[in-house]
Amino acid sequence: GAVVSQHPSWVICKSGTSVKIECRSLDFQATTMFWYRQFPKQSLMLMATSNEGSKATYEQGVEKDKFLINHASLTLSTLTVTSAHPEDSSFYICSARVGSSAEQFFGPGTRLTVL
Amino acid sequence: AQSVAQPEDQVNVAEGNPLTVKCTYSVSGNPYLFWYVQYPNRGLQFLLKYITGDNLVKGSYGFEAEFNKSQTSFHLKKPSALVSDSALYFCAVRDPSPGYSSASKIIFGSGTRLSIRP
Repeated sequence: GAVVSQHPSWVICKSGTSVKIECRSLDFQATTMFWYRQFPKQSLMLMATSNEGSKATYEQGVEKDKFLINHASLTLSTLTVTSAHPEDSSFYICSARVGSSAEQFFGPGTRLTVL
Repeated sequence: AQSVAQPEDQVNVAEGNPLTVKCTYSVSGNPYLFWYVQYPNRGLQFLLKYITGDNLVKGSYGFEAEFNKSQTSFHLKKPSALVSDSALYFCAVRDPSPGYSSASKIIFGSGTRLSIRP
């Protein structure tokens, strides 16, 4: 149980295009989902926290108009990278939690490469 | 401010020997502490957590960690390393404010690359 999936697992796009990444909790309802990005050989940096049905809370320095997050249901959150540029190339990982429970479950990640 | 430190970028151990991956934290109150492992191009896999109770926590794949409040440490250990344990390990702490609500965040350490040689 407690599986989080991400789609796609990798994507290559041209500079200026938008890319949508989906995060799904497969066997539980996630009241809160988190989006992280990870650069090579670095730690995970939290981008934003989203609760179902409400606006996401972005971390300092993360452009909310560039990284659009939608958490429309208890099992699905999407991250859209708008007008992607090469510097947006990274590994994006989502995570999901039920309420205030201690445990947080992570997706397998999405590798984004912007040419 | 809350923080997590993993002082070693890399740890090298011979197969069969014990291993330790160090982690120290700085948070107010009583934190939740976690260890995760990441294999190349993969997401994070949960190893173990400390919430309360016994300071020695046993987790997946034979790993364990000891919570030491006086030293604010949560070192990851394994009595006998395997080559397959080679991966990137992250220590993490759940930010105890605002009161472990659904908005509280996990803060990750910088990661330690564990390399087990045959």
